[in-house]
Amino acid sequence: KNEVEQSPQNLTAQEGEFITINCSYSVGISALHWLQQHPGGGIVSLFMLSSGKKKHGRLIATINIQEKHSSLHITASHPRDSAVYICAVSGAGSYQLTFGKGTKLSVIP
Amino acid sequence: GAVVSQHPSRVICKSGTSVKIECRSLDFQATTMFWYRQFPKQSLMLMATSNEGSKATYEQGVEKDKFLINHASLTLSTLTVTSAHPEDSSFYICSAREAGSYEQYFGPGTRLTVT
Repeated sequence: KNEVEQSPQNLTAQEGEFITINCSYSVGISALHWLQQHPGGGIVSLFMLSSGKKKHGRLIATINIQEKHSSLHITASHPRDSAVYICAVSGAGSYQLTFGKGTKLSVIP
Repeated sequence: GAVVSQHPSRVICKSGTSVKIECRSLDFQATTMFWYRQFPKQSLMLMATSNEGSKATYEQGVEKDKFLINHASLTLSTLTVTSAHPEDSSFYICSAREAGSYEQYFGPGTRLTVT
């Protein structure tokens, strides 16, 4: 069974700061997902990646398959980025997700 | 982008009654739908996986007779919580994927409160 570890668990940043959230997993995967959950509960899929790097607006996700590690970066953070960010992986040949415990990000104006 | 809806968004019911939650894929055909449960400040817990036209596969510890899942079409899956009890109060989220893709699209969730 894959173990997914995220760090940090909680993160407080000043508006404008560059933010990094890390995720590591223990077993080979088909894909890694970064999800965002706002206080209201709804979950938005930010990225799905299996290699390299993806960018969408101020968000960047990278993955290193050999090291079993991924990072989510937020540039020029804004209070509206405040949310819980969840890393999840699809095991090799599986569509089921194994979730990390999430990182609660608070961006202060 | 792909959209998944859930209905209702909130429901309050009395102990002993049944509640049905709908999960719909609005602009794609969902080969597989997943049902999750989330307790406060905790991560999502997979309850069951349903494939269109076949019986759902339940995770260990999830009572299939209590949480009835139907996935009768490629755009609709339903979760029925039967004989609800206060301990069933939780946030229920569905997600859906289409054939050949690892991408999962999540619904907005349903907050169930059993009084």
